Amino acid sequence: DVVMTQTPPSLSVAIGQSVSISCKSSQSLVYSDGKTYLHWLLQSPGRSPKRLIYQVSNLGSGVPDRFSGTGSQKDFTLKISRVEAEDLGVYYCAQTTHFPYTFGAGTKLELK
Amino acid sequence: EVQLVESGGGLVQPGRSLKLSCAASGFTFSNYGMHWIRQAPTKGLEWVASISPSGGSTYYRDSVKGRFTISRDNAKSTLYLQMDSLRSEDTATYYCATRLFAYWGQGTLVTVSS
Repeated sequence: DVVMTQTPPSLSVAIGQSVSISCKSSQSLVYSDGKTYLHWLLQSPGRSPKRLIYQVSNLGSGVPDRFSGTGSQKDFTLKISRVEAEDLGVYYCAQTTHFPYTFGAGTKLELK
Repeated sequence: EVQLVESGGGLVQPGRSLKLSCAASGFTFSNYGMHWIRQAPTKGLEWVASISPSGGSTYYRDSVKGRFTISRDNAKSTLYLQMDSLRSEDTATYYCATRLFAYWGQGTLVTVSS
């Protein structure tokens, strides 16, 4: 199985601060079609997960452009510019290149 | 507006069965692969199973293979998860999600306990 290693496990931030979350996979996430199926999700407290970024760097529908994703092969980063209160929750990276699909353990973003 | 509404969860004894449903609306259901993902209490996300748009291809994680069956009825825009021989470790909130995890339902809680 592809292991997704997310760091840090938690972040304490002030509103308006910028943060980055890292996600490293144990195998390349480039699929045979040349695309990389690495996605970022946010689970706000008590809510279902919501997709923020798909295929490394594509912004999901209705997602503010304060969110951005970069990376390739096995090394990926989610950046949040100017954190707002609604951004708090647990962030997950997920890969849908290889079965079984796997998720990172999550990064909890809290208010300082 | 895309909507996914799961149902069918509840309390069930170990070894018994349960069938979850996910009613989809707001998109052409038959065009998209679908997934079931679960989340044990206070834990992270775990992929369970996926199905192709036609239903002709299915995929499972090893721990549910042979016990769970994913299926779909494109005429009813509904996704299913038949869960047999349930174990305590299957206790979780079960979510259905669309291709590339674009949309998620609200989840349905399955508790396996005697």
